[in-house]
Amino acid sequence: AQSVTQPDIHITVSEGASLELRCNYSYGATPYLFWYVQSPGQGLQLLLKYFSGDTLVQGIKGFEAEFKRSQSSFNLRKPSVHWSDAAEYFCAVGAITGGFKTIFGAGTRLFVKA
Amino acid sequence: GAVVSQHPSWVICKSGTSVKIECRSLDFQATTMFWYRQFPKQSLMLMATSNEGSKATYEQGVEKDKFLINHASLTLSTLTVTSAHPEDSSFYICSARDLGLTGSAGEKLFFGSGTQLSVL
Repeated sequence: AQSVTQPDIHITVSEGASLELRCNYSYGATPYLFWYVQSPGQGLQLLLKYFSGDTLVQGIKGFEAEFKRSQSSFNLRKPSVHWSDAAEYFCAVGAITGGFKTIFGAGTRLFVKA
Repeated sequence: GAVVSQHPSWVICKSGTSVKIECRSLDFQATTMFWYRQFPKQSLMLMATSNEGSKATYEQGVEKDKFLINHASLTLSTLTVTSAHPEDSSFYICSARDLGLTGSAGEKLFFGSGTQLSVL
């Protein structure tokens, strides 16, 4: 069965420091991969997505993610975190199962300290 | 952790019929639930925000008469696709916010497993 694991429930980084949020998935075929961010009081916003091609994907707000098939991972990175990046981040896998569905990870809460 | 149950997970219906999708928070109370739809190879699109005891807030471009949302209790929100047509075929997913969590944790979202709707 398909699944998505975000091992870190929450992460705290200092402003200006680099960030990596982990995401591992289980899926039999090539997955469609997404990272979403949810800021307080707002709905989900798509940061980036991977469908095929270059395994290093650039997204909005300076985020990038790298698809590593051998590790079944799609980790999200940002070289320098800003206080406004504090939010909940969700990794998701799109699966073709007679239709199209999305499976979400449990999310990682990012705290940014000054 | 908190669980959101969404039912059914997959439904096939004839054009012109109505389909009801349920979203339940199993072990927490959710004053707010969100309904999203997704087309293949696209990201989620927020359809509406469902608030317990009040009318749902629909996003621009979403037909409120076609996508009826009811949030009659703190643990249940329903989305009814009325007079479904093939273009309504999509993946629908709900998410809920745990009322019992406070501060930044109160923004935590929990997702249902989604519903694949196919309209013939």
